[in-house]
Amino acid sequence: GNSVTQMEGPVTLSEEAFLTINCTYTATGYPSLFWYVQYPGEGLQLLLKATKADDKGSNKGFEATYRKETTSFHLEKGSVQVSDSAVYFCALSLQRGNKLVFGAGTILRVKS
Amino acid sequence: EPEVTQTPSHQVTQMGQEVILRCVPISNHLYFYWYRQILGQKVEFLVSFYNNEISEKSEIFDDQFSVERPDGSNFTLKIRSTKLEDSAMYFCASRVRGGGVETQYFGPGTRLLVL
Repeated sequence: GNSVTQMEGPVTLSEEAFLTINCTYTATGYPSLFWYVQYPGEGLQLLLKATKADDKGSNKGFEATYRKETTSFHLEKGSVQVSDSAVYFCALSLQRGNKLVFGAGTILRVKS
Repeated sequence: EPEVTQTPSHQVTQMGQEVILRCVPISNHLYFYWYRQILGQKVEFLVSFYNNEISEKSEIFDDQFSVERPDGSNFTLKIRSTKLEDSAMYFCASRVRGGGVETQYFGPGTRLLVL
């Protein structure tokens, strides 16, 4: 079946530290990949996406590259801020299925 | 910027009662979804809806659940007889059209507590 595995959290970093949140997937087809972010008390917001191998999605200083050979889509940011504290969800979607399949989410806490 | 809205933000109900969760998708969107997130667990797909009918549903979406688009703007999720295990955050989402590359836009969620 289709599934997404994320690194467990919480991840606690100091401001300006480098962030990596690992995400790997299994899929029966050729998925599109997404990172969603959930700030405290809010809904899910799309952070970035990639639709084919070697695509790099980027937004707000976050990046993730679609690696087909390692079935991964790791999220990175060079310098985190306190305002980046949130829950980050990796997800996939297959063309026909349309639905999103989410990972368990990773809590990020950034301390000043 | 247009957004998906959901009401109520919180709902408390007694086990066995019916609840209706409401969503207003983005106006030009054609595909609608419900997901849920039990506290501390994954966000799970429940159902997708297109052209006034269910296009896909998960095994969670049993006979106790139903969805409806009663008018041109609202999209509802009904749980006929709530159980304790239905307590969760329910998210509505919508997107313009089909295809995996299209972004789904999520509402802020309704937190349902069944006592």
